[in-house]
Amino acid sequence: EVQLVESGGGLVQPGGSLRLSCAASGFTFNTHAMNWVRQAPGKGLEWVSGISGTIGNTNYADSVKGRFTISRDNSKNTLYLQMNSLRAEDTAVYYCAKGAVYYDSSGYWRALDSWGQGALVTVSS
Amino acid sequence: IQMTQSPSSLSASVGDRVTITCRASQSISNYLNWYQQKPGKAPKLLIYAASNLQTGVPSRFSGSGSGTDFTLTISSLQPEDFASYYCQQSYSFPYTFGQGAKLESK
Repeated sequence: EVQLVESGGGLVQPGGSLRLSCAASGFTFNTHAMNWVRQAPGKGLEWVSGISGTIGNTNYADSVKGRFTISRDNSKNTLYLQMNSLRAEDTAVYYCAKGAVYYDSSGYWRALDSWGQGALVTVSS
Repeated sequence: IQMTQSPSSLSASVGDRVTITCRASQSISNYLNWYQQKPGKAPKLLIYAASNLQTGVPSRFSGSGSGTDFTLTISSLQPEDFASYYCQQSYSFPYTFGQGAKLESK
């Protein structure tokens, strides 16, 4: 059974930093892309960042580019999100999500097929 | 790529047929996924590649569309289906979600 457990959330002042972790189990971690998705209170889902499995290629939403850094330690089956220069608008529940790839004769498609329970990050003075 | 869902909220009764639409700001072929989220819970993948049911998802859920216009249909609404639904494009980074559609009991 796939399990994703986020940790590291909490209250931080504007301009501060925080590092989220996501401990993964139940699947071959290094063969799957991983992602962070956030949800501000009462709002919709926003994809934040993704990292490929082995090579570690990264992508970011424009709203966090230059401030957040995604990384992974495949030896520890753990995903990270380093968040710097935090703003009030970064307040959200942050979900770790496993990437899935589906193949057929026409090509391949990606989706987020397993999610953690979320970690709350509150940016406030 | 901007994703726009409609309606943003809707009321329906158990047994109803419900359709939610999602429009992309440019063609995304069929790189479109649907998720269900219940209050206080993580999202759950329902449909990938516009029309493929994720393992374990009831067959009353179906998806269709290609290019810019997509639909999620629930053929006969069940009590456990009252939730929020999000579309998401996986055509290119950054991935983007629709704003969501909240399905409530009438």
